[in-house]
Amino acid sequence: DAGVTQSPTHLIKTRGQQVTLRCSPKSGHDTVSWYQQALGQGPQFIFQYYEEEERQRGNFPDRFSGHQFPNYSSELNVNALLLGDSALYLCASSLELAGTEQFFGPGTRLTVL
Amino acid sequence: QQQVKQSPQSLIVQKGGIPIINCAYENTAFDYFPWYQQFPGKGPALLIAIRPDVSEKKEGRFTISFNKSAKQFSLHIMDSQPGDSATYFCADHTGGGNKLTFGTGTQLKVEL
Repeated sequence: DAGVTQSPTHLIKTRGQQVTLRCSPKSGHDTVSWYQQALGQGPQFIFQYYEEEERQRGNFPDRFSGHQFPNYSSELNVNALLLGDSALYLCASSLELAGTEQFFGPGTRLTVL
Repeated sequence: QQQVKQSPQSLIVQKGGIPIINCAYENTAFDYFPWYQQFPGKGPALLIAIRPDVSEKKEGRFTISFNKSAKQFSLHIMDSQPGDSATYFCADHTGGGNKLTFGTGTQLKVEL
């Protein structure tokens, strides 16, 4: 049973560029949440997708957008990258009907130069 | 913005010791408090979780104790081992959407 997978593992971009990160949820899960983890900090909630719609959003600008596909996989897009966007981006999946337990992927390390 | 305040920031114990990590929360409407363990270069892994209707939960060497009046909960690691060296995060969850609010993390080192 595959857990949460994310791609790519690492990514280097320059300021002003755009980036797309991908997530496949744990088998059977239908909800995907994205978190940003800066170095030495706890993960910060970006947004959550369920039934292909953004259901809840944290305190992140509109430069951060996402999408969920019919197979429940998800993408996180960040436009006009800033140096401060450098972080580990984590995807977590859960099953709506099962309640609260979230399983995290290994993350994508984004470096903005 | 409601927060979860976690302490200490870092902790060093000897093998076999009992490290204790504390979290104080503000959100009284929470319905679930998980703890995550994170190794360098990895995503957080769910370790143990508690709901507000119980005061203590034990799973293996890990125990959560919950003090509702103090709005605080604590993680105890019994008989700690070098393999427990990791960063530990508490989080709280309020109903409606599964958003987790994480603490700032505690870096634990267990020495031989």
